[in-house]
Amino acid sequence: SQTIHQWPATLVQPVGSPLSLECTVEGTSNPNLYWYRQAAGRGLQLLFYSVGIGQISSEVPQNLSASRPQDRQFILSSKKLLLSDSGFYLCAWSVLGGLETQYFGPGTRLLVL
Amino acid sequence: AQTVTQSQPEMSVQEAETVTLSCTYDTSENNYYLFWYKQPPSRQMILVIRQEAYKQQNATENRFSVNFQKAAKSFSLKISDSQLGDTAMYFCALASGTYKYIFGTGTRLKVLA
Repeated sequence: SQTIHQWPATLVQPVGSPLSLECTVEGTSNPNLYWYRQAAGRGLQLLFYSVGIGQISSEVPQNLSASRPQDRQFILSSKKLLLSDSGFYLCAWSVLGGLETQYFGPGTRLLVL
Repeated sequence: AQTVTQSQPEMSVQEAETVTLSCTYDTSENNYYLFWYKQPPSRQMILVIRQEAYKQQNATENRFSVNFQKAAKSFSLKISDSQLGDTAMYFCALASGTYKYIFGTGTRLKVLA
């Protein structure tokens, strides 16, 4: 069966510090991978998606970036965090293709102070 | 533009009773999928049910069923025999044409003992 991992689970960072969140998927090959952000009490906003190694599409202009160095690894980064980057970050995967069910990881709570 | 609207920010239901959560959507695509996800206090997004637009039959998963009205662009979720563990945020989501899911703003459901 497939599993998806995210770490860290919780992160408190000062404004202006760098960020690296990691997501890995087990039990499948060539997945689509996604990064979402959820602000408190709100819905999900798609940040990035990837259909293959090194292939990243950005949905929202911001100071965040994503990379996919390996088939089942997806990394969300920032060089300098802003207060507005605080939120809950969710990674998801789906079978390669367009209209496929997305399965979510446990998420990372990020608080920027 | 594609939209998903959940007009009920909060709902409550007595244990063992039935509750229906509403969702309306808009898309110009003919091929699309609709989903209901549950987000318990742990905040991990869990797939509840999926409906393919080309299927006329409403999807069911144990105590969960949908009322899919394609012409009206309505996609409601019915939870029968509500249990305390059903307490969560419920999100309606639309996938059409691309890899991008459009999520509603969610309905907070509380099951009362």
